[in-house]
Amino acid sequence: SAVISQKPSRDICQRGTSLTIQCQVDSQVTMMFWYRQQPGQSLTLIATANQGSEATYESGFVIDKFPISRPNLTFSTLTVSNMSPEDSSIYLCSVVSGYGYTFGSGTRLTVV
Amino acid sequence: AQSVTQPDIHITVSEGASLELRCNYSYGATPYLFWYVQSPGQGLQLLLKYFSGDTLVQGIKGFEAEFKRSQSSFNLRKPSVHWSDAAEYFCAVGDLNAGGTSYGKLTFGQGTILTVHP
Repeated sequence: SAVISQKPSRDICQRGTSLTIQCQVDSQVTMMFWYRQQPGQSLTLIATANQGSEATYESGFVIDKFPISRPNLTFSTLTVSNMSPEDSSIYLCSVVSGYGYTFGSGTRLTVV
Repeated sequence: AQSVTQPDIHITVSEGASLELRCNYSYGATPYLFWYVQSPGQGLQLLLKYFSGDTLVQGIKGFEAEFKRSQSSFNLRKPSVHWSDAAEYFCAVGDLNAGGTSYGKLTFGQGTILTVHP
């Protein structure tokens, strides 16, 4: 299965600032997915990112708040913009590989 | 729209006891079903998956799950729980057959927290 390197693993940020999360995959994949896991909650899909096209956002998530880049088949970034304490969550990227869905180790974000 | 329900938010078992975690799904076609485990501060690890074929699937760490179409269920079982199994468990259904922008989307249940008593 694919191996994903996700950075940073955790961060504490000031409200009003932005954080960019990176995911690097060890093989080429068509789609990458970004999820949010709020404290004590399950995972919710933010958006699906295809290489060379605009990301597709789920209901309740907008590009201005969560811009995504997908410059090639092995890399993607998610930016959490103009952060507020409500954005404190774990953010995970995921890809579909032959074995199923593989997840990055997550970015634990705390906004103060 | 697809959905997953895990009725039990928190389950406590004694070490060595058997375990069953419940999962019910709603999906319009043949579902692709998964169980993941998340230990505190860790990422998600795939325990097992069901795509087709034998409805009893074996996974890692001694876990198994049985797909029952008539009950729309995919319950996870383990005959003897170890203290290291304490974690949160997520059932998920994959939208692998859908076209367009929803292709490959995973929908997760709310999770079941497993506590293991010595």
